[in-house]
Amino acid sequence: ETGVTQTPRHLVMGMTNKKSLKCEQHLGHNAMYWYKQSAKKPLELMFVYSLEERVENNSVPSRFSPECPNSSHLFLHLHTLQPEDSALYLCASSQEDSTGELFFGEGSRLTVL
Amino acid sequence: RKEVEQDPGPFNVPEGATVAFNCTYSNSASQSFFWYRQDCRKEPKLLMSVYSSGNEDGRFTAQLNRASQYISLLIRDSKLSDSATYLCVVNMGLNTGGFKTIFGAGTRLFVKA
Repeated sequence: ETGVTQTPRHLVMGMTNKKSLKCEQHLGHNAMYWYKQSAKKPLELMFVYSLEERVENNSVPSRFSPECPNSSHLFLHLHTLQPEDSALYLCASSQEDSTGELFFGEGSRLTVL
Repeated sequence: RKEVEQDPGPFNVPEGATVAFNCTYSNSASQSFFWYRQDCRKEPKLLMSVYSSGNEDGRFTAQLNRASQYISLLIRDSKLSDSATYLCVVNMGLNTGGFKTIFGAGTRLFVKA
């Protein structure tokens, strides 16, 4: 099993749809993250969960709703998205009292029509 | 000013060349520093951490200058397989005890035969 797995890998949705991205980490880490990567832009941190509590929300629109039911799972619920939300959404995990290295999933490529 | 700034690139170099990437960060309270590598349509992966004393891993050498808030990566004897985007990454501490990871926009490297 790879360390961080994301599903689905690709998602196409209309602006009125509701969908969710899922992330699971098998590394025993205590922090999980959602990042957005748009073309020719730096990775943008969206949400940070430490010990299942949200500790950082970088002014992300409410149409993105994270959920962290336990330390191994992280969801990103999507509703009424806009075409400019089309991007690669990357999940990552880390052990906060360690080196700070982030381990990324392969990402979910989202297209909003 | 961006929190983490990198050379815009792309860098096009022949095999065997030496190439250097530069990066500056704006927050003097930043605590730890990394270079990540991202291959086309793949997730970022840690290349190496960066320490004040400088550190080397095979053909790769990383340097940190805290006074100038400057980080560098030197690649010697470039290989075709080094072609990728190199991301400068900075960790800043959060009040919660965790940290926030900020990515630069990345510098693309193309190594040609």
